Amino acid sequence: AQKITQTQPGMFVQEKEAVTLDCTYDTSDPSYGLFWYKQPSSGEMIFLIYQGSYDQQNATEGRYSLNFQKARKSANLVISASQLGDSAMYFCAMSLYNFNKFYFGSGTKLNVKP
Amino acid sequence: DTEVTQTPKHLVMGMTNKKSLKCEQHMGHRAMYWYKQKAKKPPELMFVYSYEKLSINESVPSRFSPECPNSSLLNLHLHALQPEDSALYLCASSQEGQGYNEQFFGPGTRLTVL
Repeated sequence: AQKITQTQPGMFVQEKEAVTLDCTYDTSDPSYGLFWYKQPSSGEMIFLIYQGSYDQQNATEGRYSLNFQKARKSANLVISASQLGDSAMYFCAMSLYNFNKFYFGSGTKLNVKP
Repeated sequence: DTEVTQTPKHLVMGMTNKKSLKCEQHMGHRAMYWYKQKAKKPPELMFVYSYEKLSINESVPSRFSPECPNSSLLNLHLHALQPEDSALYLCASSQEGQGYNEQFFGPGTRLTVL
């Protein structure tokens, strides 16, 4: 069975500081992809970043980077230089190779303080 | 065009009403999804269509009836809903059969059942 765990229900960060959102996963399948999505209060889920299980390098997309530690089964999202617009719910998700199903974590609510 | 559109944005219906939610994408994606999301919870997968055929039904009650008339359109027909069905309904689409595919989400329909 596949499982995603996000242990931080809510977090606060000061504007312009970096923040790490934790995600651990569990699967016995060797081929998987890990995703992070942002969901503002408006409701739309916005894709942020992706990491494949065989990727050697950590993924980066602008201010977002994914700290992938395969042995620890963790895929933490790092947001550098936080902005007020980063305040949102963040979900970690996993999918298996060629399988159209996402396994979502419970989410982390990030609040960026001015 | 990297957009998934959903109509209506808001819907209020009685338990005896019949209504439909609509989703559209023009990214050439051949997999489309319906999710239900309650407040402060992750999205729950309801249905997956692959090449216009229903491939996953997560044991959803029959009062929800999906339809995929063509590769760009996805409908969710609602009939005799219960107040506990009130939620945000998200549509998503993705590439099909090409490894790990990020899902692109629409803005959602906020449904209230009275």
